[in-house]
Amino acid sequence: ETGVTQTPRHLVMGMTNKKSLKCEQHLGHNAMYWYKQSAKKPLELMFVYSLEERVENNSVPSRFSPECPNSSHLFLHLHTLQPEDSALYLCASSQEATPYNEQFFGPGTRLTVL
Amino acid sequence: AQSVAQPEDQVNVAEGNPLTVKCTYSVSGNPYLFWYVQYPNRGLQFLLKYITGDNLVKGSYGFEAEFNKSQTSFHLKKPSALVSDSALYFCAVRDTLQDSNYQLIWGAGTKLIIKP
Repeated sequence: ETGVTQTPRHLVMGMTNKKSLKCEQHLGHNAMYWYKQSAKKPLELMFVYSLEERVENNSVPSRFSPECPNSSHLFLHLHTLQPEDSALYLCASSQEATPYNEQFFGPGTRLTVL
Repeated sequence: AQSVAQPEDQVNVAEGNPLTVKCTYSVSGNPYLFWYVQYPNRGLQFLLKYITGDNLVKGSYGFEAEFNKSQTSFHLKKPSALVSDSALYFCAVRDTLQDSNYQLIWGAGTKLIIKP
């Protein structure tokens, strides 16, 4: 395993629901990331946190709200999602938020929005 | 503009044969290049990277890749394929001159199928 865990692994929600995705890394890394993976499309970077500070927000709709309470935990709060938001949401971490550090990914949360 | 192309959606190789998964890129500055693998129902796993130095990079599970600046390519190779290598492979590049400090440009992925 990569040392990055995500819960839940699967989530089905209605468009009016509010839910949260959780990510935890056990690697002592300082940077954490949220990605969206849709079928046959490149990974889309959503948010980057470095030492609990958000350093990148890639034009993500406000219905996605990240939270990083400490360097080991990352949340993605979801509300009033759309069916097109259905995808695999991947969390990743790296030693630092530098371009030459490789990233370690969790298994993902498969989200279905009805 | 920065871009990554994985020209093959799928590559089929017989077990024991050499395999190649292709990746070409376009950047303004110098590239940092990465290969990741994704097994079914799993997240991505780092295989190898090129930052600087020797053009031939060796990585996990017997994989290697060669950085070719003139052809702007970074093809992934393995001398002898295993059935367990069947997975989805992603190439990614970071342009040293791009505005974002954190954005990797990802390819769409190549599905590798190794047949017994």
